[in-house]
Amino acid sequence: GAGVSQSPRYKVAKRGQDVALRCDPISGHVSLFWYQQALGQGPEFLTYFQNEAQLDKSGLPSDRFFAERPEGSVSTLKIQRTQQEDSAVYLCASSPVPPGLAWGGELFFGEGSRLTVL
Amino acid sequence: DAKTTQPNSMESNEEEPVHLPCNHSTISGTDYIHWYRQLPSQGPEYVIHGLTSNVNNRMASLAIAEDRKSSTLILHRATLRDAAVYYCILRTLIQGAQKLVFGQGTRLTINP
Repeated sequence: GAGVSQSPRYKVAKRGQDVALRCDPISGHVSLFWYQQALGQGPEFLTYFQNEAQLDKSGLPSDRFFAERPEGSVSTLKIQRTQQEDSAVYLCASSPVPPGLAWGGELFFGEGSRLTVL
Repeated sequence: DAKTTQPNSMESNEEEPVHLPCNHSTISGTDYIHWYRQLPSQGPEYVIHGLTSNVNNRMASLAIAEDRKSSTLILHRATLRDAAVYYCILRTLIQGAQKLVFGQGTRLTINP
């Protein structure tokens, strides 16, 4: 497809279970972002990759959250020992813009992965 | 990160213009003003961005105050498909970090 693809679209996990959320960015896009969106709130930044390098992980809420992009394309967000407060929509976005463009470029978002922790 | 202030909600009628305000009194000289919108059950989508001058594209217009402490997103002729949450965001490139920092946004309702 032409857009950012995320899977699974819906995931129900029992508390304590590990989950992995996948993001396929638009081909050739350099930058990749992960956001967390709780119900009724705006998206909250989690982490940012430039190719395979994770340049900013300041938004990851705890060490249970881990993201990788080993070959500079597909990315996985892993949450270990899930807790109820992890329930949210996890959004992935990519951008074709290399670093240095002042306005930052347009982000293309996927539809998100909705995680429910019971 | 510089903050923006938007009304929680607004309502308008179909085929009428809509003016969505945003205050950003702490904006710095290098901050770009971005607008994204999020339709129900979808990820945010880019609408428009600007620095100092007013901007127009096929989706909307962006009017930026002379002191840059406020801006207004203008939808010239609203349709039902424009019902969404609209986010006004300030974005600064710092050491390669390009993240968008979203606020609560304005929920726009369009009446038929």
